[in-house]
Amino acid sequence: GAVVSQHPSRVICKSGTSVKIECRSLDFQATTMFWYRQFPKQSLMLMATSNEGSKATYEQGVEKDKFLINHASLTLSTLTVTSAHPEDSSFYICSVGSRGYQETQYFGPGTRLLVL
Amino acid sequence: EDQVTQSPEALRLQEGESSSLNCSYTVSGLRGLFWYRQDPGKGPEFLFTLYSAGEEKEKERLKATLTKKESFLHITAPKPEDSATYLCAVPFFGNEKLTFGTGTRLTIIP
Repeated sequence: GAVVSQHPSRVICKSGTSVKIECRSLDFQATTMFWYRQFPKQSLMLMATSNEGSKATYEQGVEKDKFLINHASLTLSTLTVTSAHPEDSSFYICSVGSRGYQETQYFGPGTRLLVL
Repeated sequence: EDQVTQSPEALRLQEGESSSLNCSYTVSGLRGLFWYRQDPGKGPEFLFTLYSAGEEKEKERLKATLTKKESFLHITAPKPEDSATYLCAVPFFGNEKLTFGTGTRLTIIP
């Protein structure tokens, strides 16, 4: 399967600042990447689908101006949490979809964000 | 309405005590059912994909099966290192997005 990395693994920031999280596909060219958020003891919730070279598609209820996604190359997607607030504290995970109609998603290790 | 439901929510087993986890789904035109393992503080690790009713896949102590309404993840003679949350996910018709169940938190007691 695809190998996916995320950076940073953990980040602590002050309320009102912006934080950028990188997701890299290390051995696979990904036209599509996905961003999820996971709160403690809850399952993964899809935030947005990141498409290389075009605008991301956001799920209902996810603010596109707050969670900026850039998928500038086939191996890198970034998620920027703008003007972060304590309620944005969560575990953010990206995934890469393999090609094909019935595709498997491979996940990165996740980024723990804590907003003080 | 398309849904994915997992049970039980949590399961504690003695080492060596076999059991099964359930994933029920209602979806039009199943295009695959995925099982993942997630350890605390980590991203999900891919285990299996099942595409059609009757299909089975195995990996070490795990075996996944699929019917038209549900999937089971059977764990045989589990070890403490099998402790994790097991997630199933289904892509709903018309898109490639995965919808996840809430997971089963499995604890194997030595």
